[in-house]
Amino acid sequence: GEDVEQSLFLSVREGDSSVINCTYTDSSSTYLYWYKQEPGAGLQLLTYIFSNMDMKQDQRLTVLLNKKDKHLSLRIADTQTGDSAIYFCAERGAAGNKLTFGGGTRVLVKP
Amino acid sequence: NAGVTQTPKFQVLKTGQSMTLQCAQDMNHEYMSWYRQDPGMGLRLIHYSVGAGITDQGEVPNGYNVSRSTTEDFPLRLLSAAPSQTSVYFCASSERYSGNTIYFGEGSWLTVV
Repeated sequence: GEDVEQSLFLSVREGDSSVINCTYTDSSSTYLYWYKQEPGAGLQLLTYIFSNMDMKQDQRLTVLLNKKDKHLSLRIADTQTGDSAIYFCAERGAAGNKLTFGGGTRVLVKP
Repeated sequence: NAGVTQTPKFQVLKTGQSMTLQCAQDMNHEYMSWYRQDPGMGLRLIHYSVGAGITDQGEVPNGYNVSRSTTEDFPLRLLSAAPSQTSVYFCASSERYSGNTIYFGEGSWLTVV
């Protein structure tokens, strides 16, 4: 089956930029997503990118997609303590609306 | 503006008991799915449905049943609960060709003892 990989942990100082990386194997991915999950809460869709784009910016968030290398990244500018959470990368294949998730990256923002 | 509603939010079961997790959406979405979330493993697809009367298996279907008798509802049944089914369960829905947005419920925390 398809696979999505993420690093487990990222520590960053408040005010710095965070970069979370994700790799995937499905060459027929249509959309790629970033979700945020705070402790005890559900999934919050942060942003998404269509597979024919290479960059998308939304306020403090920048998504970069390298389709050739199947590499996706999420940059959070001016990281705040409220950004501490688990971030999931997910890809949607061409066959339907099923998502394949990475294992999540726990981001800890230090004051 | 309910979106995707899951019940119950928390449940403790004994091994061998059965129960049903409810999922309802009020957006007339054709696609609905169930995921489970385990530590360090992200979310894994259990079962999904592309419309009323149609269901199919996902990545980890064993021990679970689903049905889709209406567009709105997609219940997940645990026939004989096992400790390995202790997890957080998420229901999701989307339009058939939704493009960008797949909506998730708030999650159901299930513990099997």
